[in-house]
Amino acid sequence: EAGVAQSPRYKIIEKRQSVAFWCNPISGHATLYWYQQILGQGPKLLIQFQNNGVVDDSQLPKDRFSAERLKGVDSTLKIQPAKLEDSAVYLCATKGLAGGGGQFFGPGTRLTVL
Amino acid sequence: EDQVTQSPEALRLQEGESSSLNCSYTVSGLRGLFWYRQDPGKGPEFLFTLYSAGEEKEKERLKATLTKKESFLHITAPKPEDSATYLCAVSYNFNKFYFGSGTKLNVKP
Repeated sequence: EAGVAQSPRYKIIEKRQSVAFWCNPISGHATLYWYQQILGQGPKLLIQFQNNGVVDDSQLPKDRFSAERLKGVDSTLKIQPAKLEDSAVYLCATKGLAGGGGQFFGPGTRLTVL
Repeated sequence: EDQVTQSPEALRLQEGESSSLNCSYTVSGLRGLFWYRQDPGKGPEFLFTLYSAGEEKEKERLKATLTKKESFLHITAPKPEDSATYLCAVSYNFNKFYFGSGTKLNVKP
């Protein structure tokens, strides 16, 4: 079974530029999450999708971050414009079981904002 | 307010020296507690789910236990390949997950 795919793996941009991250989930996994992980901290939820609908985006900085999930499969996360404090690893995770059972994470995209 | 606190932040062990990592949570109504392993440059890898106090799960040299306020990840006779950051997460509805900051484990040969 293929895992969660993310691209790019690394991205370096100047502040005020825009950037987009892509996630391809495990086939059949309806729930998809985007997390931000700052160095030395645990993942922090940004947005959660169930199929192509948003379940929770309460911690997404909506003035600069946006996300979509097309046809309930692939997802993109965009930052526009980026700030220095956005430097972090952006993790995509999916979950297949309706009940208990852990999430499956992709390798992440490491973003550096200069 | 942090819902999940992990301790210690870092732990250095000699190969074969057993120890435990702690994960405490503050909110009642827990539905599940999850342990993950994260290697440098990679996403977290799911290890265990614990559902109720008294439950235990084992995998190779790792054993996770759960009480009403905390969970322990016991590492028996660790090897250098066990070096990683161990993350704990809690959920109250199996939909949203709150992560701790992790314990960085370094096992020296």
